[in-house]
Amino acid sequence: ETGVTQTPRHLVMGMTNKKSLKCEQHLGHNAMYWYKQSAKKPLELMFVYSLEERVENNSVPSRFSPECPNSSHLFLHLHTLQPEDSALYLCASSQGTGPLDEQYFGPGTRLTVT
Amino acid sequence: GQQVMQIPQYQHVQEGEDFTTYCNSSTTLSNIQWYKQRPGGHPVFLIQLVKSGEVKKQKRLTFQFGEAKKNSSLHITATQTTDVGTYFCLLYNQGGKLIFGQGTELSVKP
Repeated sequence: ETGVTQTPRHLVMGMTNKKSLKCEQHLGHNAMYWYKQSAKKPLELMFVYSLEERVENNSVPSRFSPECPNSSHLFLHLHTLQPEDSALYLCASSQGTGPLDEQYFGPGTRLTVT
Repeated sequence: GQQVMQIPQYQHVQEGEDFTTYCNSSTTLSNIQWYKQRPGGHPVFLIQLVKSGEVKKQKRLTFQFGEAKKNSSLHITATQTTDVGTYFCLLYNQGGKLIFGQGTELSVKP
C-alpha cells in the first residue's frame, strides 16, 4: 500500500538533536493525524489537522511541533526529546474528521532517542 | 469521562481454535471501527459498525455492535497463522471524540 508514506522509516537521535518526520498522503484526503505508539500501549492521538488547520492537540509536550503546509503533507518537528519519546510514530489520513471516516495509516517511523 | 476497555490484552490460541476480543465503553457510542495491526506493520481498517445490534461478517471474522451501542466484539472462527496481530477498536463517542482501545494481541500456534 502506498497511499500514505512516511520518512524516514527509522531514526536514531540524541536528546539535543533536531529532526523532522514527514508524512505524505496520495489519497486526496482532507484530514491528517499523528499518533504515538509505545510498546505495550494503545495508540495515542497527538494531533489532528483538517484542511491544514489543527483541530485537535492532545496535551502533547512542546518538544513535538506539527506542521501541515497543505492537505497532502504533514510534518512532526522534534527537538530536545527524551528517551521516553522513543516509539513508533504513525501518520494517518482520512477523508474528513467525522466519526464515519476510516483512517489510512502510513508504515510509521521507528524513533529511538539516545 | 469516557472509559473504554478492550479485553483480553493477550490471547494465545492453537491454530483452528476460535478467538474473540471485546470492546466495552462506559458511554453510548455513535459508531465503532475495528483495525488490525500485523507484527511490525501498521494498523489497517477492517470494518465499521453504526447501527444498534449490527452484525457484519468478513469470511471467518464476525463483528457485532451491542444493542445499547456500548460494546462490540470481533470473533474469528478457526484461527489461522495469518490472523496473528493486534486487533483494536476505534471509538467515537457521542461528542465525536476519537478514542482507541488498548488492543488485543493474538498469537496463533501452528
